[in-house]
Amino acid sequence: DTAVSQTPKYLVTQMGNDKSIKCEQNLGHDTMYWYKQDSKKFLKIMFSYNNKELIINETVPNRFSPKSPDKAHLNLHINSLELGDSAVYFCASSPLLFGTKVNIQYFGAGTRLSVL
Amino acid sequence: AQKITQTQPGMFVQEKEAVTLDCTYDTSDQSYGLFWYKQPSSGEMIFLIYQGSYDEQNATEGRYSLNFQKARKSANLVISASQLGDSAMYFCAMRSNYQLIWGAGTKLIIKP
Repeated sequence: DTAVSQTPKYLVTQMGNDKSIKCEQNLGHDTMYWYKQDSKKFLKIMFSYNNKELIINETVPNRFSPKSPDKAHLNLHINSLELGDSAVYFCASSPLLFGTKVNIQYFGAGTRLSVL
Repeated sequence: AQKITQTQPGMFVQEKEAVTLDCTYDTSDQSYGLFWYKQPSSGEMIFLIYQGSYDEQNATEGRYSLNFQKARKSANLVISASQLGDSAMYFCAMRSNYQLIWGAGTKLIIKP
């Protein structure tokens, strides 16, 4: 069983389209995250949810909208896709919002988004 | 400001040798945690090892150990007896409030 699963793994689309990436975790964790990894491999936090509540909302265009229907799911919807949105998007989860040793973040396999 | 610095963009190491990946951090927090993750070419992010700021012993997990020098604010990852499968990007990260602060990563290539 995959602990953090995100779909799709690859997403190729045209500029201006709207797309969604889904994420589910079966670890029973309270907190979930979305990261963007650019072409230089730099990881940037986008959003964090704790028990369906938005905790972190970094400087991200409002074309990006996270949705958490329950604490096991955190989906990412992107409107009006732009060339600069091309990147790898990672979903992650952790047991707590903050904490010490037990608060390891576990990552999904990533979604490689290519905007043409 | 909270910051993680990984000064080695890339490293080549001969198979079976030990390798040290550098990580320095800057924080004003008294309590913090440091993480290392591995990202192989397949793309997934794999948690390797964790060190808490109050942990008295350096963390170890199999062939991975963390050389934690609090006064110098460094948390270097040591991989003993490197293997070809260790070739990957390695990221150092620090817990700060509700999130992890990430370094830019080091690309490690193990030569046969």
